[in-house]
Amino acid sequence: GAVVSQHPSWVICKSGTSVKIECRSLDFQATTMFWYRQFPKQSLMLMATSNEGSKATYEQGVEKDKFLINHASLTLSTLTVTSAHPEDSSFYICSAYPTSTDTQYFGPGTRLTVL
Amino acid sequence: SQQGEEDPQALSIQEGENATMNCSYKTSINNLQWYRQNSGRGLVHLILIRSNEREKHSGRLRVTLDTSKKSSSLLITASRAADTASYFCAPKAGNTPLVFGKGTRLSVIA
Repeated sequence: GAVVSQHPSWVICKSGTSVKIECRSLDFQATTMFWYRQFPKQSLMLMATSNEGSKATYEQGVEKDKFLINHASLTLSTLTVTSAHPEDSSFYICSAYPTSTDTQYFGPGTRLTVL
Repeated sequence: SQQGEEDPQALSIQEGENATMNCSYKTSINNLQWYRQNSGRGLVHLILIRSNEREKHSGRLRVTLDTSKKSSSLLITASRAADTASYFCAPKAGNTPLVFGKGTRLSVIA
């Protein structure tokens, strides 16, 4: 299957700082990528749809100014958590479709801990 | 987007037994995908079944789809301790992103 990578796999930061998470499709191009968040013992919640060359589409309740998404190329989307607070601590997972397939592949996730 | 609802929420079996998980959804779909998530990891794609398919196999996995009942099942045969994970179904219609329910937490006891 197709491979999606994320970097970093985990990050610890101080409250008030910003953190950038990268999502890459390693062996395919993706015009659309997705960002999810998962709190402990809960399911994945879709945060936003990242579109190459255009603005991201955010789900209801997700602050676009806090979670900045940039999809500058067909293989890279970034999620920046700005002015992070402890409540932003979570597991962030990205996902993408190879063109002309229906299978959505997921990255390994990034564990964010905000102190 | 629509999410599937998995049942049961938790399942505990002995190694070697079969595990069956069910999924229900509400509206028409193009396909339905099953995923596995080990604790603290990303989702691993297991199998995709299209709306015109009724059954699909992949190794020890068997998936069924009944579009008239809007339900799917995932059967894992001869389970192993390594199958311990959470399992999610994801019904898909059109180009909408996948959304997920609470999943089924499977524990396989050696």
